[in-house]
Amino acid sequence: TQLLEQSPQFLSIQEGENLTVYCNSSSVFSSLQWYRQEPGEGPVLLVTVVTGGEVKKLKRLTFQFGDARKDSSLHITAAQPGDTGLYLCAGVKWHTGNQFYFGTGTSLTVIP
Amino acid sequence: DSGVTQTPKHLITATGQRVTLRCSPRSGDLSVYWYQQSLDQGLQFLIHYYNGEERAKGNILERFSAQQFPDLHSELNLSSLELGDSALYFCASSDMGLAGDEQFFGPGTRLTVL
Repeated sequence: TQLLEQSPQFLSIQEGENLTVYCNSSSVFSSLQWYRQEPGEGPVLLVTVVTGGEVKKLKRLTFQFGDARKDSSLHITAAQPGDTGLYLCAGVKWHTGNQFYFGTGTSLTVIP
Repeated sequence: DSGVTQTPKHLITATGQRVTLRCSPRSGDLSVYWYQQSLDQGLQFLIHYYNGEERAKGNILERFSAQQFPDLHSELNLSSLELGDSALYFCASSDMGLAGDEQFFGPGTRLTVL
C-alpha cells in the first residue's frame, strides 16, 4: 500500500494545454518534494514545500502544499514537449533522519 | 551530472547470490540515501545514513544491509537474491540530511537477477 497516491497515473496532452497532477495522503509530512525523472536516470528535485498552504512557482510550474500538510498539487501552464517525463511527489517524515515516501508517479507526455 | 557516482551501472547475477552496490556522494555531502525502483512498487526508500551513522530506515529487507564508511562512500549489500530483487537501485546524497534537504540522485545501478 502506497502512502502517497498520485493522479492521474498517465497524462497525454497537446502542447499549450494546462494540467494538474495531484498527490494525496492521509498522513502528515514534515515537507513535500516534487521530482521529475527521465527514463534511465535518477529523479531531479523540482521543489520542496514545507509550510501548510505554501505555494511556490517555478516558471510555468506552480506547486501547492495542502493546509494540513497531507497533500499537494503540481500545475503546469502551457505545457511544452520538454515537460515530458515522470513526475514524482515525495512526502518527507523527519525524526532522527529523513524518511521519504514516494508517490506512484504521473507519466506526462506533451505532444507537439 | 549530479556529482553522485554509482558503480556498477549494470549487474546481472543469479538467484541466491550476493552483490554489493557502491555509491560516492557529492563532495561535501554527509548524507546518503538508498532507494529501490521497480515497475510494480515504484520508488521505495530503503535507508538513510548521515556521517557514518544510520538515521532512518524504510522498506529495507533483512537480506539487505548498508553502511557508510569514514570517507563517506556507501555500500548496499544484497544477499540471497531473489527474482523480485531485480530493480534499479539509486543512491542519493544531501549535505546535512535535514528535513527538506535537496537530494541529488546518482545514475543508478540496474540489477537483474536470473
